[in-house]
Amino acid sequence: DTEVTQTPKHLVMGMTNKKSLKCEQHMGHRAMYWYKQKAKKPPELMFVYSYEKLSINESVPSRFSPECPNSSLLNLHLHALQPEDSALYLCATRKAGRTDTQYFGPGTRLTVL
Amino acid sequence: AQKITQTQPGMFVQEKEAVTLDCTYDTSDQSYGLFWYKQPSSGEMIFLIYQGSYDEQNATEGRYSLNFQKARKSANLVISASQLGDSAMYFCAMRPGANSKLTFGKGITLSVRP
Repeated sequence: DTEVTQTPKHLVMGMTNKKSLKCEQHMGHRAMYWYKQKAKKPPELMFVYSYEKLSINESVPSRFSPECPNSSLLNLHLHALQPEDSALYLCATRKAGRTDTQYFGPGTRLTVL
Repeated sequence: AQKITQTQPGMFVQEKEAVTLDCTYDTSDQSYGLFWYKQPSSGEMIFLIYQGSYDEQNATEGRYSLNFQKARKSANLVISASQLGDSAMYFCAMRPGANSKLTFGKGITLSVRP
């Protein structure tokens, strides 16, 4: 019951493209996260949504635009990205309770040309 | 501020042997949670084990156990009977108090030799 899905698995885009990453969960978790991870580095927090409202933005450039249309879905809209934005983008959900554990999706590997 | 330190270089272990991955942390909070995640080359971050700062017993989950030494601020992961599928990067992380953010260490790469 800890499944978080992310689509697409891989994405290649040009610097002028607009694309979106999608994250979905049906576990009833009310907190959802976007992380960016470069190779061999720990994940870096980008955004946190709590009860479908943006609660944390870690000073992320505006070319990344998050959206939480409902409690099961989290999107990350991408526009005018730079090659240095190439990374693994991970979505996570947090199960409220004693441990508040975050469960991660499989990630989207993004390459910006 | 919270800090997680994982200083071991790449670790190697023979299949079926046990291995300990080190993690030390620093926080001024009295209540906090410690987590270990595994990340294979496929990229998914897999939750392994949790230890709460007030938990009196060390956490165990199957072949994983956490050697929690609160006074030394260490939370080492012990993997028993290593398997080839344990080859991955392992991250130690901390969540202070009721904060929703995780602070990650820089990770340790574990390679299991047949």
